[in-house]
Parts: sequence; structure tokens; C-alpha cells
Amino acid sequence: DAGVTQSPTHLIKTRGQQVTLRCSPKSGHDTVSWYQQALGQGPQFIFQYYEEEERQRGNFPDRFSGHQFPNYSSELNVNALLLGDSALYLCASRGTGGSPLHFGNGTRLTVT
Amino acid sequence: QKEVEQNSGPLSVPEGAIASLNCTYSDRGSQSFFWYRQYSGKSPELIMFIYSNGDKEDGRFTAQLNKASQYVSLLIRDSQPSDSATYLCAVDTNAGKSTFGDGTTLTVKP
Repeated sequence: DAGVTQSPTHLIKTRGQQVTLRCSPKSGHDTVSWYQQALGQGPQFIFQYYEEEERQRGNFPDRFSGHQFPNYSSELNVNALLLGDSALYLCASRGTGGSPLHFGNGTRLTVT
Repeated sequence: QKEVEQNSGPLSVPEGAIASLNCTYSDRGSQSFFWYRQYSGKSPELIMFIYSNGDKEDGRFTAQLNKASQYVSLLIRDSQPSDSATYLCAVDTNAGKSTFGDGTTLTVKP
């Protein structure tokens, strides 16, 4: 039973560029959430997708956008990268509401 | 005020001792509560979840929830060096959004 998979594992981008991160949820899960985790902090909620729609959004600018596909996989896009966007980006999936999140291994993004 | 607050730590306990980790939350409507463990450089993994007031035990771990006080805790009995990690408290504040605290780093010394 495959868990949550994320790609790529690591990414180095230059300030101003755009990046796309990808996530496949755990089998049987239909809800995907994205989190940003800076060093020494807890994961910060970016947004959540269910039935191909953004259902909830955290306090992140419009430079952060996403998409969910019919097979429940998801993408996170970040435009006009800033140095402060350097972080670990975590994708998590869950089945029913209120059930625990299952995390992927994350994508480490470095913006130079 | 942060939605979910944890003891900043770090917390250090000797091997075999009880480690106590605390968390408070601000949204009285919260329904689901989770503890995740995160090793350095890794992603969070679920330790415990609790939905009702009281205690819930799973092996060496006990989660405690007091909704009236908006407080949730995690006790680790017989702490082992392998328990050394950052422990994240997460609260479902509404419709499936999990909000995390900044974590408490635990070190278990042999």
C-alpha cells in the first residue's frame, strides 16, 4: 500500500523563478493538504484540496496556487520565488474529515 | 495569540523517565487532536489521536484531552533515546484543516 509520495525531493531555484511540486495521496485518500515548514517551526497550512477544488486556504499570498486532478494527485505552484520561500514543503492526505494526516517525505526548496 | 501553542522546550529527560508534553489551543469548536513525531530532516508521523475528553493509552504513550481547559497533553513513559525528536501538536480547527504548534524538542539521555 503506497503512502503519500512527493516529487522532487530537493529543488534549488533562483529568486523570481517559478516552481511546481507534486504529490500523490495515500491509496483511498481523497483530500490533500499542503504545508510549509521553515526551520525550527511547525508546519504552516497553505491550502487543502477536495474534489478538485480548493476548500480552505491559510495565510499565504496568491503567489501560492494549487491544483487537484481527478485521480486525487495534487500540485503546488509558487510564482515569483522569494528567499523566504526556502522551506520544507509537505503534502499530506487524509480520508474522512477529522482523521489523521499522512505525510509525504517532503520537498526541500532552496531559493538563492 | 497562536491557535496552537506548545512548550517551547527543549525538554530533556533521563532514559526510563516520564516525558510530559503540553499543548493549548484557542478554538473551542475544535474536535480532533493529534500528536505527531518528527525526527530531524524527516516528515511528521502520527503518534496518537484523541477525540474525547479523558485519557487514551497506546503502549508507552498516553494522550490526555480537556476540552473545557482547551488543553491536550502527551505522556511518554519509560522514555528511550529513540524517542528523541520534535513532537508536534495538531488541532483540527474546522472542516479538516489541521493547525500545528511549533513543536517541543525532546532529548532522552542514556
